[in-house]
Amino acid sequence: DTEVTQTPKHLVMGMTNKKSLKCEQHMGHRAMYWYKQKAKKPPELMFVYSYEKLSINESVPSRFSPECPNSSLLNLHLHALQPEDSALYLCASSQSGGGAGELFFGEGSRLTVL
Amino acid sequence: GQNIDQPTEMTATEGAIVQINCTYQTSGFNGLFWYQQHAGEAPTFLSYNVLDGLEEKGRFSSFLSRSKGYSYLLLKELQMKDSASYLCAVRSFGATNKLIFGTGTLLAVQP
Repeated sequence: DTEVTQTPKHLVMGMTNKKSLKCEQHMGHRAMYWYKQKAKKPPELMFVYSYEKLSINESVPSRFSPECPNSSLLNLHLHALQPEDSALYLCASSQSGGGAGELFFGEGSRLTVL
Repeated sequence: GQNIDQPTEMTATEGAIVQINCTYQTSGFNGLFWYQQHAGEAPTFLSYNVLDGLEEKGRFSSFLSRSKGYSYLLLKELQMKDSASYLCAVRSFGATNKLIFGTGTLLAVQP
């Protein structure tokens, strides 16, 4: 199994809603990532979890709240988002948080904030 | 901080060879990756360089010069399905694997 699975594939939410994006991998990878990608732009790093601990937060607004319940799961909790937060949210994993191996990406969750 | 630059768009002909360049400035370089991303899909890993020189993988090759802060991705025998965005990404030293993407190059392969 070499897949990173993200749900939902599409999400539409209002600015007062609370929703969550979910990511799962069963490759035994110990690092997991959230990236944000706007149209025709490269992915931008948001958060990195290494061995289930948050190790990098790229100054992301607190309306985005990551959670890593175990080594296979990564969530991104969304609350009070703005229309400019509409984007493709990509989850990725890599073998080690210490710097080995390439990132494997999921297909993303396309978020629209109304 | 990091600065990673690529040409925005390129066009090439089916069957030809194309070279996509990437220049970077970073503190604590720890490897360079190339990813391919088709529209609406996830990025997929193409190649990895951490030492100077050329890495070849079938129709794709990637070159790195650390002293010049420069890499290129070479695509041979272009096929229509190679039309995609090509992303250069640099990893920096640290306790955690931090991968930052460049601006991306949109390649259009024409018949």
